[in-house]
Amino acid sequence: LAKTTQPISMDSYEGQEVNITCSHNNIATNDYITWYQQFPSQGPRFIIQGYKTKVTNEVASLFIPADRKSSTLSLPRVSLSDTAVYYCLVGDMSYGQNFVFGPGTRLSVLP
Amino acid sequence: EAGVAQSPRYKIIEKRQSVAFWCNPISGHATLYWYQQILGQGPKLLIQFQNNGVVDDSQLPKDRFSAERLKGVDSTLKIQPAKLEDSAVYLCASSSVPGQANTGELFFGEGSRLTVL
Repeated sequence: LAKTTQPISMDSYEGQEVNITCSHNNIATNDYITWYQQFPSQGPRFIIQGYKTKVTNEVASLFIPADRKSSTLSLPRVSLSDTAVYYCLVGDMSYGQNFVFGPGTRLSVLP
Repeated sequence: EAGVAQSPRYKIIEKRQSVAFWCNPISGHATLYWYQQILGQGPKLLIQFQNNGVVDDSQLPKDRFSAERLKGVDSTLKIQPAKLEDSAVYLCASSSVPGQANTGELFFGEGSRLTVL
């Protein structure tokens, strides 16, 4: 399993764009990159997943450079409700894969 | 579609007592996971089932923790005897086979918060 490294915490203000970068230097050819979001007193929930280049959905964008050794989760125009912990996971998407969470990035959005 | 159901939501016990947590995954999800999340940390995988078989239990403290998934549907996680350091949220999650129609993502329940005094 590829090890991931993220900043422990980040602060932002409402309305700003937030970019959280995850390093995964030993990512394998078959690995996908997935981000989860966790609010207090809730389980993590899926945000976005990608393999290469750029993926965008209604919540976020995921940028993956050609060497795939890092990825950046981009949250446009954050609000107070985006205050949460964000986890970057790397895995090969095989049936019954092992999902390993690191400590995540604690994002605080300030008014 | 109903989500992952867990019970109880909260449990307070004395050390050396026992406790059991129950999880019912999303219908049709073959893979079920139990995670332990200590305050301020990311979830730590305890055990992973595929149908009713164990795929990975390498981080399960087997001297006190046990889990089963009879009939490949719902699952029970038991702690006996509990220690102070077992105070945590126990999260159950399930996933389906990844494919073109889905990402194979994890779906979590709300968790069971255990306090050991």
